[in-house]
Amino acid sequence: GDSVTQMEGPVTLSEEAFLTINCTYTATGYPSLFWYVQYPGEGLQLLLKATKADDKGSNKGFEATYRKETTSFHLEKGSVQVSDSAVYFCALIIQGAQKLVFGQGTRLTINP
Amino acid sequence: ETGVTQTPRHLVMGMTNKKSLKCEQHLGHNAMYWYKQSAKKPLELMFVYSLEERVENNSVPSRFSPECPNSSHLFLHLHTLQPEDSALYLCASSSYRESYGYTFGSGTRLTVV
Repeated sequence: GDSVTQMEGPVTLSEEAFLTINCTYTATGYPSLFWYVQYPGEGLQLLLKATKADDKGSNKGFEATYRKETTSFHLEKGSVQVSDSAVYFCALIIQGAQKLVFGQGTRLTINP
Repeated sequence: ETGVTQTPRHLVMGMTNKKSLKCEQHLGHNAMYWYKQSAKKPLELMFVYSLEERVENNSVPSRFSPECPNSSHLFLHLHTLQPEDSALYLCASSSYRESYGYTFGSGTRLTVV
């Protein structure tokens, strides 16, 4: 079946550190890939997406590249801020299907 | 403003109460979803409605009863809940069969006492 695996959290970094959150997937069809972010007390917000191989999604300084050869969609940011503290979810949809499949989420805490 | 509005934001109910959660979207989407988010557990998809018909029900107990009267509104009716049902309930919407992802509401934090 379709699944998404994220690196285990929690992840704790200092402000201005480099961030990588790993995400790999297995898919029975051709997926679109997403990163969602959940700030404390809120629902999930779409952070970025990529719909085909080698596409790079980017938003708010975050980036992720759709790597078909490694079935990965790692999230990166060059310099994190305290306001980036949140839970990050990697997800996929098989194109032509409907169900959004989530990873388990990675809690990120940034210390000043 | 996310485009998907959930009410109430917080709800405390006793195990014998009946209450309803409401979700509303005006994004022109034709599919709506209920998710349950419990502490230290993955997101659980509960129900999927497409074009106002329920297309998925993931073995959810009958004390949870969804209703989708039109493409803009989704309800989750609750009765005789258990303390383990305490969680954040998230509503989402999307355009069915388009790979654009979902738009989520802010959720209802439910506490069953």
